Amino acid sequence: ILNVEQSPQSLHVQEGDSTNFTCSFPSSNFYALHWYRWETAKSPEALFVMTLNGDEKKKGRISATLNTKEGYSYLYIKGSQPEDSATYLCALSSSNTGKLIFGQGTTLQVKP
Amino acid sequence: GAVVSQHPSRVICKSGTSVKIECRSLDFQATTMFWYRQFPKQSLMLMATSNEGSKATYEQGVEKDKFLINHASLTLSTLTVTSAHPEDSSFYICSARDGTVPGDGYTFGSGTRLTVV
Repeated sequence: ILNVEQSPQSLHVQEGDSTNFTCSFPSSNFYALHWYRWETAKSPEALFVMTLNGDEKKKGRISATLNTKEGYSYLYIKGSQPEDSATYLCALSSSNTGKLIFGQGTTLQVKP
Repeated sequence: GAVVSQHPSRVICKSGTSVKIECRSLDFQATTMFWYRQFPKQSLMLMATSNEGSKATYEQGVEKDKFLINHASLTLSTLTVTSAHPEDSSFYICSARDGTVPGDGYTFGSGTRLTVV
């Protein structure tokens, strides 16, 4: 059974701080790693999909890296803003069947 | 971009009644729809996968007679919670896969908060 772990569970930072979260997963049977941003009462928004070891992706102030050999991905937010406050989910797919196994999420609160 | 409309967003029902949740893909054809459930402080858990025109595939431990899934068209999938009980109270969310987009292409609805009283 695939198990995806995210840490920390929650995080409070000041506006302007940079922060990062971790997603850990079993390195075997890896197909793709997804990051989502989920604001309350909205749909989860896809941030990144990564498949290759060493992948690095960037979207504005948010970036992510992937290490499939050791089974982890980092999500970085540079210069956090209050609008970055959300729950960040990572999900693993082990094949092209489409099934996603989610972590519990990291809830970020950015104080102005 | 791709949008999935899910409704209702909240529903309260009496124990023993059935509740239907709808997910519609608004601007793409959802060849595959996934239904997830989330209990408090837990992760999204996949309940079932449905492909248009065929029977849904349920994950282990999910009762197919209790959670009826219909995916009769490429733009609509429904989840019906039959004879709901308080333990079915949860957050339900769908995700549609656009079969024309390789790799990514998962679009989520905004979820339904079900409370059974």
